[in-house]
Amino acid sequence: ILNVEQSPQSLHVQEGDSTNFTCSFPSSNFYALHWYRWETAKSPEALFVMTLNGDEKKKGRISATLNTKEGYSYLYIKGSQPEDSATYLCAYLNYGGSQGNLIFGKGTKLSVKP
Amino acid sequence: NAGVMQNPRHLVRRRGQEARLRCSPMKGHSHVYWYRQLPEEGLKFMVYLQKENIIDESGMPKERFSAEFPKEGPSILRIQQVVRGDSAAYFCASSPGQGISPLHFGNGTRLTVT
Repeated sequence: ILNVEQSPQSLHVQEGDSTNFTCSFPSSNFYALHWYRWETAKSPEALFVMTLNGDEKKKGRISATLNTKEGYSYLYIKGSQPEDSATYLCAYLNYGGSQGNLIFGKGTKLSVKP
Repeated sequence: NAGVMQNPRHLVRRRGQEARLRCSPMKGHSHVYWYRQLPEEGLKFMVYLQKENIIDESGMPKERFSAEFPKEGPSILRIQQVVRGDSAAYFCASSPGQGISPLHFGNGTRLTVT
């Protein structure tokens, strides 16, 4: 059974703090890793799609790294703002699966206090 | 540019009734995916469709559930003879289908079976 684990489950930080969280996934048959940001009462919004070992992607204050050999990805947020409060999901795509058959983790819920 | 539209947002059905959930993908997207989120669980893949074709239905229960994406009109996820265990949030996503692209999600339909 393919499993994607995210840690921590939840995180509370102060405005201005930098933070990071982890996504662990099977290292065999890796094809792609997605990150999504999901605000309450909205729909999940794509942040990154990563495919290559050693990939680093950046979007504003948010960046992500990928290690396919050991099966993990980190998401970093620099200088957290209250509007960063959301649940951050990662999703793994297996080489043998169809492109829509993403396996999602349960997410890390980030709360940023002003 | 309208995003992925799902309706209804909320649907209440009694046990044994049928539920029909609709999804209109983003303009220009020909690939549709349905995911289900049970309480306290992450998003779980159900089915992946292109126009008039089911590409991958490996995540969909074999009985009572069906999906279609006709040449004209929205994609429909149909649940016959609903049971309490079908209560969940059902999310639709779409993509242009070109290579490994991020998914664009709708706001979901929350189904409650009484």
